[in-house]
Amino acid sequence: EDQVTQSPEALRLQEGESSSLNCSYTVSGLRGLFWYRQDPGKGPEFLFTLYSAGEEKEKERLKATLTKKESFLHITAPKPEDSATYLCAVQGGTGGFKTIFGAGTRLFVKA
Amino acid sequence: ETGVTQSPTHLIKTRGQQVTLRCSSQSGHNTVSWYQQALGQGPQFIFQYYREEENGRGNFPPRFSGLQFPNYSSELNVNALELDDSALYLCASSLARRNTEAFFGQGTRLTVV
Repeated sequence: EDQVTQSPEALRLQEGESSSLNCSYTVSGLRGLFWYRQDPGKGPEFLFTLYSAGEEKEKERLKATLTKKESFLHITAPKPEDSATYLCAVQGGTGGFKTIFGAGTRLFVKA
Repeated sequence: ETGVTQSPTHLIKTRGQQVTLRCSSQSGHNTVSWYQQALGQGPQFIFQYYREEENGRGNFPPRFSGLQFPNYSSELNVNALELDDSALYLCASSLARRNTEAFFGQGTRLTVV
């Protein structure tokens, strides 16, 4: 069964304290892995798409990497405005163009 | 702002009723996906429409149905509402079925009482 698991469920950091979020996935025929940011009461905001193992993408303090089994979202020197829920999703498998999301990691960055 | 608009923003319905939610996709996008998001959970894929055809479906019963119009806007219809249908319903549009970069609307908060 296609599945996405994110860890940790919640992460509390001090401003400037770098860390990583994990996304483990099980899907056959991966078409893409996506990272989104979601603020309370809003729809998810697109961050990155990764297509193949070894691929990396960066945007400001965020860097996403992909292996055959998992993806990491690295946050370097976070700021309080980085506080949000970070969602990982995959598209592929037997469901055609079905996109499967993980439950997310809630990130809190304290000044 | 993403350019994807959903209406209404909030809705209260009674169990057993029917509801229609609407989504206007970003200009030039031909693919629309619908998701259900319960509190504290990730979005659950309902279905995707590509050029007016259903192109993929998640594990939702047939009482969840949809339409995509020639201008690529879309509707989500839910019949025989149940209490568990209470959630945030999200619409996302993209340039292609592969969701290379999907833009989400703000969602419709549906409460079933």
